[in-house]
Amino acid sequence: QLQLQESGPGLVKPSETLSLTCSVSGGSIISSSYYWGWIRQPPGRGLEWIGSVSYSGSTYYNPSLKSRLTISVDTSKTQFSLKLSSVTAADTAVYYCARRGDAYYGRAFDIWGQGTMVTVSS
Amino acid sequence: QSALTQPPSASGSPGQSVTISCTGTSSDVGGYDYVSWYQQHPGKAPKLMIYEVSKWPSGVPDRFSGSKSGNTASLTVSGLQAEDEADYYCSSYAGSNTFVFGTGTKVTVL
Repeated sequence: QLQLQESGPGLVKPSETLSLTCSVSGGSIISSSYYWGWIRQPPGRGLEWIGSVSYSGSTYYNPSLKSRLTISVDTSKTQFSLKLSSVTAADTAVYYCARRGDAYYGRAFDIWGQGTMVTVSS
Repeated sequence: QSALTQPPSASGSPGQSVTISCTGTSSDVGGYDYVSWYQQHPGKAPKLMIYEVSKWPSGVPDRFSGSKSGNTASLTVSGLQAEDEADYYCSSYAGSNTFVFGTGTKVTVL
């Protein structure tokens, strides 16, 4: 059973870089059938797609975050990562990593991590 | 890339049906049959309920059904049960490997 687990600092200072890692266990990250993505949810608000990465390193970003965003994959560690620079309080949210099963679930996110809360505050 | 529009709330009594709408544009909902729906209980991660407008992942009861007409997709929950009380989000492919989520709907079982 594939599982995803987010990790990273829970508190980031304004103007600094938010860095999170998603560890994939119980399965391979190397497959053309899947993409690996990040979604966030500010407290009390809705979901926002952040971006996705393929196992080969192709990246796709939310246009509103693109200038500050880097998503990468490390297949040797079965991990993928998120870096969001120049953060402000508006970036405070629960950050989820998720698998997008294109070949099986028509570009839907079928497996999610439990989420990790990141607060931007000095 | 604007969020898809959903009603803030919906409700129904046990056994009844409730339908949630999800309105986008021809660049997302209307342009692709890649609409999915997610259920989220408080403090939990979202769970995929419907993909490709109307298909069920394994383990999801067929009380949940999806449809689409033009730029609006819909999720219907039939035979409401207490455990269906949750937030529901739609999502759509928006081209160029980008995605957009809906604003979310809180479903209350009366």
